[in-house]
Amino acid sequence: QKEVEQNSGPLSVPEGAIASLNCTYSDRGSQSFFWYRQYSGKSPELIMSIYSNGDKEDGRFTAQLNKASQYVSLLIRDSQPSDSATYLCAVNGANTGNQFYFGTGTSLTVIP
Amino acid sequence: SQTIHQWPATLVQPVGSPLSLECTVEGTSNPNLYWYRQAAGRGLQLLFYSVGIGQISSEVPQNLSASRPQDRQFILSSKKLLLSDSGFYLCAWSSGNTIYFGEGSWLTVV
Repeated sequence: QKEVEQNSGPLSVPEGAIASLNCTYSDRGSQSFFWYRQYSGKSPELIMSIYSNGDKEDGRFTAQLNKASQYVSLLIRDSQPSDSATYLCAVNGANTGNQFYFGTGTSLTVIP
Repeated sequence: SQTIHQWPATLVQPVGSPLSLECTVEGTSNPNLYWYRQAAGRGLQLLFYSVGIGQISSEVPQNLSASRPQDRQFILSSKKLLLSDSGFYLCAWSSGNTIYFGEGSWLTVV
């Protein structure tokens, strides 16, 4: 079983719509959760981190965490063509804080 | 603020040739350092991580090796490249519970 799983997509949404990206993880003891954005040919950049159950909002981005369901999501409101990228979910390992596990990413295309 | 740099940005190497990718971190001390590889259209594969000078943990047995000669320097090497070594190599650092990536190095083995 993979540590972190994401729907690979591709996910297409029209400009101005809400994009919803989902992620599940296997290690119930995981403590830290992250969303990275990766443009084609570039390295991943951190956009959100979340550590406790509930929602965390930052501008147009909202991260949601449900530890009981081992589920993390990212909502992008008012999607823009510049949001078109691959979004990676990452989890910090519970047994050792040195390990980070990444999903394979969800490709998002925002259609003008 | 902390910054991370890796080089070279791109390289094309023949099969059987050696490899050296270098990464340095500035603005922090005693970071955890990582090398990841991302094959085309695939996820991030952790290759090596280091919690200190000379301390290297390998996640995937292969013809690659890593070294950490200084606190903020991490080097990825190979004596003989294989075609399957082609990919996007990412150096990363962490000082706690967040990981940050360098610009990446594109390696094409021909």
